[in-house]
Amino acid sequence: ETGVTQTPRHLVMGMTNKKSLKCEQHLGHNAMYWYKQSAKKPLELMFVYSLEERVENNSVPSRFSPECPNSSHLFLHLHTLQPEDSALYLCASSQAQGLTGELFFGEGSRLTVL
Amino acid sequence: AQKITQTQPGMFVQEKEAVTLDCTYDTSDPSYGLFWYKQPSSGEMIFLIYQGSYDQQNATEGRYSLNFQKARKSANLVISASQLGDSAMYFCAMREGLSGGSNYKLTFGKGTLLTVNP
Repeated sequence: ETGVTQTPRHLVMGMTNKKSLKCEQHLGHNAMYWYKQSAKKPLELMFVYSLEERVENNSVPSRFSPECPNSSHLFLHLHTLQPEDSALYLCASSQAQGLTGELFFGEGSRLTVL
Repeated sequence: AQKITQTQPGMFVQEKEAVTLDCTYDTSDPSYGLFWYKQPSSGEMIFLIYQGSYDQQNATEGRYSLNFQKARKSANLVISASQLGDSAMYFCAMREGLSGGSNYKLTFGKGTLLTVNP
């Protein structure tokens, strides 16, 4: 079982659909992250949760809505998305708050918005 | 201004040779950490190596080493004895200490696509 699991791996949705991305970590970490990876752009941090509390919201449009019900699960709810939202969405987790805490990533959910 | 700059969009290396992937960073915080990640075509980001700003020695992890030149603000990744499985995107990233406060944000560069030729 991998450390960080994301489902679905691929998602195609229309602009009026509502869908959710799910992330689960099995590492006992206390922080979870959503990153967006678009072609030819650096990874963009979207949200960070620490101990189930949102600690960072990086000016993300409200059509993206995160949810962290417990320290092992993280969701990204999607509604009325735009074609430019098509990207790879990566979930990650980490343990330490300090500088050294590396992020452990899932394999990502590739989203296509038609 | 970009905090992490990777100037090589793509690099080629022969199998069994060494390769250096460049990374420069920009921060005024005296306390920071530098990370390298590998992303194969499967999409998962794999942590490779970490260097702290106060570390006296260059970090090494197996075939990976980090050439840390603090005055030049560079943190180049050196891969020795390249293998076909090393073909992937490589990302340099930085976490700033924000003068002792907690900071979760890891800022990434645009990446370098490494291709290892047989």
